[in-house]
Amino acid sequence: QVQLVQSGAEVKKPGSSVKVSCKASGGTFSSYAISWVRQAPGQGLEWVGGIIPFFGTANYAQKFQGRVTFTADKSTRTAYMELSGLRSEDTAVYYCARGGVVVTASAFDIWGQGTMVTVSS
Amino acid sequence: EIVLTQSPGTLSLSPGERATLSCRASQRLSNTYLAWYQQKPGQAPRLLIYSTSSRAPGIPDRFSGSGSGTDFTLTISRLEPEDFAVYYCQQYVTSPPTFGPGTKVDI
Repeated sequence: QVQLVQSGAEVKKPGSSVKVSCKASGGTFSSYAISWVRQAPGQGLEWVGGIIPFFGTANYAQKFQGRVTFTADKSTRTAYMELSGLRSEDTAVYYCARGGVVVTASAFDIWGQGTMVTVSS
Repeated sequence: EIVLTQSPGTLSLSPGERATLSCRASQRLSNTYLAWYQQKPGQAPRLLIYSTSSRAPGIPDRFSGSGSGTDFTLTISRLEPEDFAVYYCQQYVTSPPTFGPGTKVDI
């Protein structure tokens, strides 16, 4: 059974960048999409985008285009999300989640524990 | 993008009662690609239902999903104490996948 373990909490200054990792253990990694979903404090869930590690192909929500980059390292079974130009509104818990074989047409059956990213001057 | 609306915002019930949660889409979903998640405080969401009515592995049969078109329902037949949580619907018919704002089920 696949488990997703994310990197620890981050505190960043406005305008800086953050890189969050999501390491898979057990099961198949590269064939399934890994999506990133964020949740601002007390708010709902928002899809940021996703990547299929096998192909390295990524889809980004339009809202984040140009500010977010997803990568994946098949050898270490780790996916990464880098978000740049951070602003206070980016303060949220960021989750990685496993989808199906199509990034944008998936329910998410396995979730990481979440990484809190706080943007504050 | 497809906007999902959930009602009610909060559902106050007691253990043993039946819960009916609604999710409405801003446009007709052309297939059954609708999912439901449960989230408890401080935890990641957990997939309950996918493809409108299929239970995820390990999900008790008191959880059931139904619907089509623009109207979808999650039913919890008899609430257990551990079912008090926030529930989100999600469509993955069109890009971007979107989530509803959630329904809180509390005592």
